[in-house]
Amino acid sequence: GQSLEQPSEVTAVEGAIVQINCTYQTSGFYGLSWYQQHDGGAPTFLSYNALDGLEETGRFSSFLSRSDSYGYLLLQELQMKDSASYFCAVSTMDSNYQLIWGAGTKLIIKP
Amino acid sequence: DAGITQSPRYKITETGRQVTLMCHQTWSHSYMFWYRQDLGHGLRLIYYSAAADITDKGEVPDGYVVSRSKTENFPLTLESATRSQTSVYFCASRGTGQGGGEKLFFGSGTQLSVL
Repeated sequence: GQSLEQPSEVTAVEGAIVQINCTYQTSGFYGLSWYQQHDGGAPTFLSYNALDGLEETGRFSSFLSRSDSYGYLLLQELQMKDSASYFCAVSTMDSNYQLIWGAGTKLIIKP
Repeated sequence: DAGITQSPRYKITETGRQVTLMCHQTWSHSYMFWYRQDLGHGLRLIYYSAAADITDKGEVPDGYVVSRSKTENFPLTLESATRSQTSVYFCASRGTGQGGGEKLFFGSGTQLSVL
């Protein structure tokens, strides 16, 4: 079957850097996406990686290693507003390119 | 205003009743999706549609029906609601993100309680 693993909860301090990991077991891997969801809100797109390497968008970066079936989301200069759940999701040829989602990582930021 | 809207925002119903959740998008995106979100499960795909009159099952389609007669609308119907269908339902459409990758745009969600 296809599965994704990410930590259920991560705690960090305001102003620090935090990394949220995602490992996946899929066949026909196509790409890895990251979404942010605040409590009571809808998921919003953060990043997408189809090739190995690091993609940077402001304070957020996302990394992918296809050979290791692994990716991570890196958040720098953490702000209180970054407190949210973060989901990794993979698209695969076997799922007809539709997203398969991880269970989410709740990021708790302390002042 | 451009965007994707869902209605109702909250719905309480009883077991055995039929319920329809509405979804409307103004971008003319080809793909539209229905997900349910339950604690500890992330998002699970119920149905999706690649274009008007083309729909396909996702991971958890049982008990749900969809239709797409127009590109902009994608209603989800629970034919006979059960308590296990209590959940938050999100509609989404697909645009194009950076690097040409997938980017889903989500509606605000419908919180459904089946008593």
